[in-house]
Amino acid sequence: EAGVAQSPRYKIIEKRQSVAFWCNPISGHATLYWYQQILGQGPKLLIQFQNNGVVDDSQLPKDRFSAERLKGVDSTLKIQPAKLEDSAVYLCASIQAGGGDTQYFGPGTRLTVL
Amino acid sequence: LAKTTQPISMDSYEGQEVNITCSHNNIATNDYITWYQQFPSQGPRFIIQGYKTKVTNEVASLFIPADRKSSTLSLPRVSLSDTAVYYCLVPMYNNNDMRFGAGTRLTVKP
Repeated sequence: EAGVAQSPRYKIIEKRQSVAFWCNPISGHATLYWYQQILGQGPKLLIQFQNNGVVDDSQLPKDRFSAERLKGVDSTLKIQPAKLEDSAVYLCASIQAGGGDTQYFGPGTRLTVL
Repeated sequence: LAKTTQPISMDSYEGQEVNITCSHNNIATNDYITWYQQFPSQGPRFIIQGYKTKVTNEVASLFIPADRKSSTLSLPRVSLSDTAVYYCLVPMYNNNDMRFGAGTRLTVKP
């Protein structure tokens, strides 16, 4: 079974530029999460999707971050414009519908904002 | 809302048993307790999950006392490759909505 796929693995941009990350969850997983993990800290939930609907985006900085999952499968997370403090690893995770709460994580995208 | 507290770091030596305790005083009746492991440059990986008493799998054991206000992850005979950050999670609102704390950084020494 293929795992959660993310791309790119690494991205370096300058502040005020835009960036987008892509995630393809495990096939059949209805719930998808985006996390931000700053070095030395635990992952912080940014947004949770159930199919193509948003369940929780209370911790998403909506003035600069946006995310979508239009067809209920893959998802994109965008930052526009980026700030220095956005430098982090962005993790995507998914769980199976009705399959309990075991989250399967992708490898993450490491973003460096200069 | 459930919140967890665990030690920031622990050191151990190869071959020893390691026990990491997590406090979750406000755990709700239906909440499960889940532990994840994270290696550098990788996403977290599920280790074990439990509701009460003891759960054991091929990787670890999870001990949960009757009051469920804490849990202890037990790693038998650790090796250098067990050096990682270990997170204890309980649900925020439901079992599909869990929040990570800072975790426990375990360092296994030769």
